[in-house]
Amino acid sequence: KAGVTQTPRYLIKTRGQQVTLSCSPISGHRSVSWYQQTPGQGLQFLFEYFSETQRNKGNFPGRFSGRQFSNSRSEMNVSTLELGDSALYLCASSFRGRGDYEQYFGPGTRLTVT
Amino acid sequence: KNEVEQSPQNLTAQEGEFITINCSYSVGISALHWLQQHPGGGIVSLFMLSSGKKKHGRLIATINIQEKHSSLHITASHPRDSAVYICAPTGNQFYFGTGTSLTVIP
Repeated sequence: KAGVTQTPRYLIKTRGQQVTLSCSPISGHRSVSWYQQTPGQGLQFLFEYFSETQRNKGNFPGRFSGRQFSNSRSEMNVSTLELGDSALYLCASSFRGRGDYEQYFGPGTRLTVT
Repeated sequence: KNEVEQSPQNLTAQEGEFITINCSYSVGISALHWLQQHPGGGIVSLFMLSSGKKKHGRLIATINIQEKHSSLHITASHPRDSAVYICAPTGNQFYFGTGTSLTVIP
Protein backbone atom coordinates (compact mmCIF):
# COMPACT_ATOMS: atom_id res chain seq x y z
CA LYS A 1 0.00 0.00 0.00
CA ALA A 2 1.29 3.45 -0.83
CA GLY A 3 1.77 5.79 2.12
CA VAL A 4 0.40 9.26 2.65
CA THR A 5 1.68 11.66 0.03
CA GLN A 6 1.88 15.43 0.26
CA THR A 7 2.57 17.92 -2.46
CA PRO A 8 4.49 20.04 -2.87
CA ARG A 9 7.28 19.07 -0.47
CA TYR A 10 8.78 22.55 -0.37
CA LEU A 11 7.28 25.92 -1.11
CA ILE A 12 8.43 29.52 -0.88
CA LYS A 13 5.80 32.24 -0.89
CA THR A 14 5.68 35.96 -0.25
CA ARG A 15 3.70 37.70 2.49
CA GLY A 16 0.14 38.37 1.39
CA GLN A 17 -0.02 35.53 -1.12
CA GLN A 18 -2.12 32.44 -0.69
CA VAL A 19 -1.09 28.80 -0.84
CA THR A 20 -2.79 25.44 -1.36
CA LEU A 21 -1.29 22.22 -0.06
CA SER A 22 -2.44 18.76 -1.05
CA CYS A 23 -2.62 15.47 0.82
CA SER A 24 -3.48 12.05 -0.59
CA PRO A 25 -4.32 9.54 2.15
CA ILE A 26 -3.66 5.85 2.23
CA SER A 27 -6.15 3.98 0.07
CA GLY A 28 -9.25 3.17 2.08
CA HIS A 29 -8.64 5.82 4.73
CA ARG A 30 -11.51 8.27 5.06
CA SER A 31 -10.07 10.64 7.65
CA VAL A 32 -7.43 13.27 7.00
CA SER A 33 -6.03 15.55 9.67
CA TRP A 34 -3.76 18.53 9.21
CA TYR A 35 -1.09 19.80 11.58
CA GLN A 36 1.30 22.72 11.73
CA GLN A 37 4.75 22.31 13.24
CA THR A 38 6.97 25.25 14.14
CA PRO A 39 10.09 25.44 16.33
CA GLY A 40 8.31 27.78 18.74
CA GLN A 41 4.88 26.18 19.06
CA GLY A 42 5.65 22.57 18.21
CA LEU A 43 2.90 20.48 16.68
CA GLN A 44 -0.56 21.99 16.57
CA PHE A 45 -3.79 20.54 15.27
CA LEU A 46 -5.40 22.43 12.40
CA PHE A 47 -8.46 20.41 11.38
CA GLU A 48 -9.80 16.98 10.60
CA TYR A 49 -11.94 15.90 7.68
CA PHE A 50 -13.96 12.73 7.46
CA SER A 51 -16.04 11.78 4.44
CA GLU A 52 -15.81 15.32 3.01
CA THR A 53 -16.99 16.96 6.26
CA GLN A 54 -14.87 18.98 8.64
CA ARG A 55 -15.25 17.17 11.93
CA ASN A 56 -12.94 19.13 14.22
CA LYS A 57 -11.01 22.36 14.06
CA GLY A 58 -8.10 23.68 16.08
CA ASN A 59 -7.51 27.25 17.19
CA PHE A 60 -6.32 28.82 13.98
CA PRO A 61 -7.63 31.95 12.28
CA GLY A 62 -10.07 31.77 9.40
CA ARG A 63 -7.21 32.30 6.93
CA PHE A 64 -6.61 28.57 7.33
CA SER A 65 -9.18 26.45 5.57
CA GLY A 66 -9.44 23.03 4.07
CA ARG A 67 -11.62 20.63 2.21
CA GLN A 68 -11.85 16.98 1.39
CA PHE A 69 -12.91 15.46 -1.88
CA SER A 70 -14.99 12.36 -2.53
CA ASN A 71 -11.82 10.32 -3.11
CA SER A 72 -10.63 11.37 0.39
CA ARG A 73 -7.85 13.56 -0.96
CA SER A 74 -7.63 16.77 1.01
CA GLU A 75 -6.36 20.26 0.45
CA MET A 76 -5.62 23.02 2.89
CA ASN A 77 -5.45 26.65 1.94
CA VAL A 78 -3.82 29.55 3.71
CA SER A 79 -4.77 33.00 2.49
CA THR A 80 -2.98 36.30 3.11
CA LEU A 81 0.21 34.59 4.22
CA GLU A 82 2.12 35.98 7.18
CA LEU A 83 5.75 35.41 8.11
CA GLY A 84 4.57 33.34 11.10
CA ASP A 85 2.91 30.86 8.78
CA SER A 86 6.34 29.51 7.87
CA ALA A 87 6.18 25.94 9.13
CA LEU A 88 6.13 22.28 8.32
CA TYR A 89 2.58 21.28 7.45
CA LEU A 90 1.81 17.65 8.04
CA CYS A 91 -1.21 15.61 7.15
CA ALA A 92 -2.13 12.23 8.53
CA SER A 93 -4.73 9.73 7.46
CA SER A 94 -6.59 7.08 9.34
CA PHE A 95 -9.41 4.67 8.65
CA ARG A 96 -11.95 6.26 10.95
CA GLY A 97 -10.28 9.28 12.51
CA ARG A 98 -10.83 10.47 16.06
CA GLY A 99 -8.06 9.54 18.46
CA ASP A 100 -8.58 5.85 18.70
CA TYR A 101 -7.41 4.83 15.27
CA GLU A 102 -3.83 4.56 14.06
CA GLN A 103 -2.65 7.68 12.25
CA TYR A 104 -0.22 7.57 9.34
CA PHE A 105 1.71 10.72 8.65
CA GLY A 106 2.86 12.14 5.35
CA PRO A 107 6.35 13.60 4.86
CA GLY A 108 5.07 17.15 5.19
CA THR A 109 5.21 20.34 3.14
CA ARG A 110 7.78 22.86 4.30
CA LEU A 111 6.40 26.34 3.67
CA THR A 112 8.63 29.38 3.87
CA VAL A 113 7.02 32.82 3.79
CA THR A 114 9.32 35.72 2.96
CA LYS B 1 -2.21 26.17 27.45
CA ASN B 2 0.01 23.27 28.73
CA GLU B 3 -2.60 20.57 28.38
CA VAL B 4 0.34 18.18 27.97
CA GLU B 5 3.55 18.12 29.98
CA GLN B 6 6.36 15.95 28.70
CA SER B 7 9.68 15.25 30.41
CA PRO B 8 12.55 15.36 30.05
CA GLN B 9 12.92 17.86 27.20
CA ASN B 10 16.36 16.56 26.29
CA LEU B 11 17.98 13.25 27.06
CA THR B 12 21.42 11.87 26.26
CA ALA B 13 22.07 8.21 26.92
CA GLN B 14 24.81 5.68 26.35
CA GLU B 15 24.02 2.83 24.02
CA GLY B 16 22.38 0.01 25.96
CA GLU B 17 20.81 2.19 28.64
CA PHE B 18 17.14 1.92 29.69
CA ILE B 19 15.26 5.12 28.86
CA THR B 20 11.99 6.50 30.18
CA ILE B 21 10.04 9.45 28.80
CA ASN B 22 7.03 10.71 30.74
CA CYS B 23 3.84 12.42 29.66
CA SER B 24 1.16 13.97 31.86
CA TYR B 25 -2.01 15.51 30.48
CA SER B 26 -5.00 17.37 31.80
CA VAL B 27 -7.56 16.84 29.03
CA GLY B 28 -10.08 14.05 28.73
CA ILE B 29 -8.94 11.58 26.11
CA SER B 30 -10.03 8.51 24.23
CA ALA B 31 -6.48 7.40 23.44
CA LEU B 32 -2.88 8.51 23.61
CA HIS B 33 -0.36 8.26 20.81
CA TRP B 34 3.41 8.17 21.03
CA LEU B 35 5.10 9.59 17.94
CA GLN B 36 8.70 9.46 16.76
CA GLN B 37 10.17 12.18 14.58
CA HIS B 38 13.58 11.88 13.00
CA PRO B 39 15.64 14.85 11.76
CA GLY B 40 14.20 15.55 8.33
CA GLY B 41 10.69 15.76 9.73
CA GLY B 42 9.03 12.41 9.06
CA ILE B 43 6.70 11.30 11.86
CA VAL B 44 5.94 7.69 12.69
CA SER B 45 3.24 6.58 15.08
CA LEU B 46 4.84 4.17 17.56
CA PHE B 47 1.90 3.37 19.79
CA MET B 48 -1.75 4.11 20.22
CA LEU B 49 -3.11 3.06 23.59
CA SER B 50 -6.17 3.70 25.68
CA SER B 51 -5.33 1.52 28.67
CA GLY B 52 -2.64 -0.68 30.12
CA LYS B 53 0.55 -1.45 28.31
CA LYS B 54 1.81 -2.20 24.80
CA LYS B 55 5.14 -3.56 23.62
CA HIS B 56 6.80 -3.42 20.22
CA GLY B 57 10.27 -4.88 20.22
CA ARG B 58 12.42 -2.81 22.58
CA LEU B 59 9.72 -0.18 23.07
CA ILE B 60 7.11 -0.31 25.80
CA ALA B 61 4.32 2.20 26.39
CA THR B 62 2.10 2.38 29.45
CA ILE B 63 -0.84 4.55 30.35
CA ASN B 64 -2.72 5.20 33.57
CA ILE B 65 -6.02 6.83 32.63
CA GLN B 66 -6.99 7.66 36.23
CA GLU B 67 -3.69 9.44 36.88
CA LYS B 68 -3.60 10.95 33.35
CA HIS B 69 -0.05 9.79 32.83
CA SER B 70 1.79 7.77 30.21
CA SER B 71 5.36 6.58 29.87
CA LEU B 72 7.45 5.42 26.95
CA HIS B 73 10.32 3.07 27.77
CA ILE B 74 13.16 2.05 25.48
CA THR B 75 15.14 -0.97 26.59
CA ALA B 76 18.72 -1.52 25.38
CA SER B 77 18.82 1.84 23.62
CA HIS B 78 20.63 2.12 20.30
CA PRO B 79 21.96 5.13 18.32
CA ARG B 80 19.20 4.59 15.75
CA ASP B 81 16.70 5.43 18.52
CA SER B 82 17.98 9.01 18.42
CA ALA B 83 14.95 11.10 17.53
CA VAL B 84 12.31 13.36 19.04
CA TYR B 85 9.53 11.50 20.84
CA ILE B 86 6.17 13.23 21.16
CA CYS B 87 3.15 12.20 23.17
CA ALA B 88 -0.23 13.10 21.77
CA PRO B 89 -3.28 12.61 23.99
CA THR B 90 -6.38 12.62 21.85
CA GLY B 91 -10.05 13.27 22.41
CA ASN B 92 -11.93 15.23 19.80
CA GLN B 93 -8.61 16.60 18.64
CA PHE B 94 -4.94 15.92 19.04
CA TYR B 95 -2.97 17.64 21.77
CA PHE B 96 0.81 17.43 21.65
CA GLY B 97 3.62 17.46 24.12
CA THR B 98 6.65 19.58 23.31
CA GLY B 99 8.70 16.50 22.60
CA THR B 100 11.72 14.80 24.11
CA SER B 101 14.90 14.98 22.07
CA LEU B 102 16.80 11.73 22.62
CA THR B 103 20.43 11.22 21.63
CA VAL B 104 21.94 7.80 22.10
CA ILE B 105 25.72 7.77 22.03
CA PRO B 106 27.56 4.65 20.83
